Amino acid sequence: RKEVEQDPGPFNVPEGATVAFNCTYSNSASQSFFWYRQDCRKEPKLLMSVYSSGNEDGRFTAQLNRASQYISLLIRDSKLSDSATYLCVVGHTGGFKTIFGAGTRLFVKA
Amino acid sequence: NAGVMQNPRHLVRRRGQEARLRCSPMKGHSHVYWYRQLPEEGLKFMVYLQKENIIDESGMPKERFSAEFPKEGPSILRIQQVVRGDSAAYFCASSRDNSGEQYFGPGTRLTVT
Repeated sequence: RKEVEQDPGPFNVPEGATVAFNCTYSNSASQSFFWYRQDCRKEPKLLMSVYSSGNEDGRFTAQLNRASQYISLLIRDSKLSDSATYLCVVGHTGGFKTIFGAGTRLFVKA
Repeated sequence: NAGVMQNPRHLVRRRGQEARLRCSPMKGHSHVYWYRQLPEEGLKFMVYLQKENIIDESGMPKERFSAEFPKEGPSILRIQQVVRGDSAAYFCASSRDNSGEQYFGPGTRLTVT
């Protein structure tokens, strides 16, 4: 079992749609969680951190379920510019490497 | 407010040559990570360094690859005797701590001919 697993997609949605991505992680000792976005042939960029209480940034909402060990990202009112690969990231403190999921590809179409 | 810098952006090497990739972390960041990404694939962790120390190199091939992050100067990922399979994008990221909040450089695209 991979340490961080994501549905690879692709997700093809029309503009204005709501789309949700899920990610599961295997290490119950994981302490920090993030979503990154990567555009084609570009570097990944931090989209948002994921907190236990859930957090929202504009059209984006991230949630964490520690009991079930999964993280979600919800994008409302999708824009063409949201087309990218979304990476789920799980971090640990104490000198252990951060684990990136393989990513979920999203295509938003007009 | 310079971000993470990597150079060169593109590097072409013939089989058997050495490749040296450089990464300057963001100001105030002492943690550096190297990742490799093949076309249409995800990021693969290679190595995690703090100043003068390798913390985790579990993702780095044991032969031909080495990394350092000296007290002064950039972090260097060195690939000796490159082979065609080394062709990939190599990304460096830096962070203030190891929480997972990392900032990436633009990458070095290595092509081995």
